[in-house]
Amino acid sequence: EAGVTQFPSHSVIEKGQTVTLRCDPISGHDNLYWYRRVMGKEIKFLLHFVKESKQDESGMPNNRFLAERTGGTYSTLKVQPAELEDSGVYFCASSPRSQTDPSANTGELFFGEGSRLTVL
Amino acid sequence: AQSVSQHNHHVILSEAASLELGCNYSYGGTVNLFWYVQYPGQHLQLLLKYFSGDPLVKGIKGFEAEFIKSKFSFNLRKPSVQWSDTAEYFCAVTAWGAAGNKLTFGGGTRVLVKP
Repeated sequence: EAGVTQFPSHSVIEKGQTVTLRCDPISGHDNLYWYRRVMGKEIKFLLHFVKESKQDESGMPNNRFLAERTGGTYSTLKVQPAELEDSGVYFCASSPRSQTDPSANTGELFFGEGSRLTVL
Repeated sequence: AQSVSQHNHHVILSEAASLELGCNYSYGGTVNLFWYVQYPGQHLQLLLKYFSGDPLVKGIKGFEAEFIKSKFSFNLRKPSVQWSDTAEYFCAVTAWGAAGNKLTFGGGTRVLVKP
């Protein structure tokens, strides 16, 4: 079974440019999450999709960040325009929907290897 | 809001030594607790988790963790490390019963095991 895949693995762009990160979750996983780790600090939650709907986007830093999950499959995270402080590693994770209780916390997240973004 | 504190940023030890990584969390309600590990060049993966029941939980690769509610702690242990345990370890929590898995992570501890 394929795991969570992210593309690109590393992107180097200049301040003011646009970058789009893509995440393909594990097939059948309704939950998709984006997290970010900046400069060796904590991994921080950005947002959570359930299928194509945004369940929680409380961690999105500002309106330069736009996440989509059209059709409830893969997701993209666009940063436009990028700023220096956006540099970091962006992790995507997925998890299945609980079979017994849709609101239950099922625990394990399956992470991708991350997309490293460097803004110069 | 939840927060997680990991006591050490870097740990260096020799093979066969014992490892204990500290983790304390701050949250007023019931939590679920996790340890994730990221080996060099690999993705984050779950080592172990605690939801309820026996506060001593066992995970993969010989790791275990003990939940001490009174101390808001969830320390990770391994009696005898191997070179292959070189990795970064993350403690994480989520509010019990919360929809989805909105994890709050600690800052991570880099562990280097010298052969």
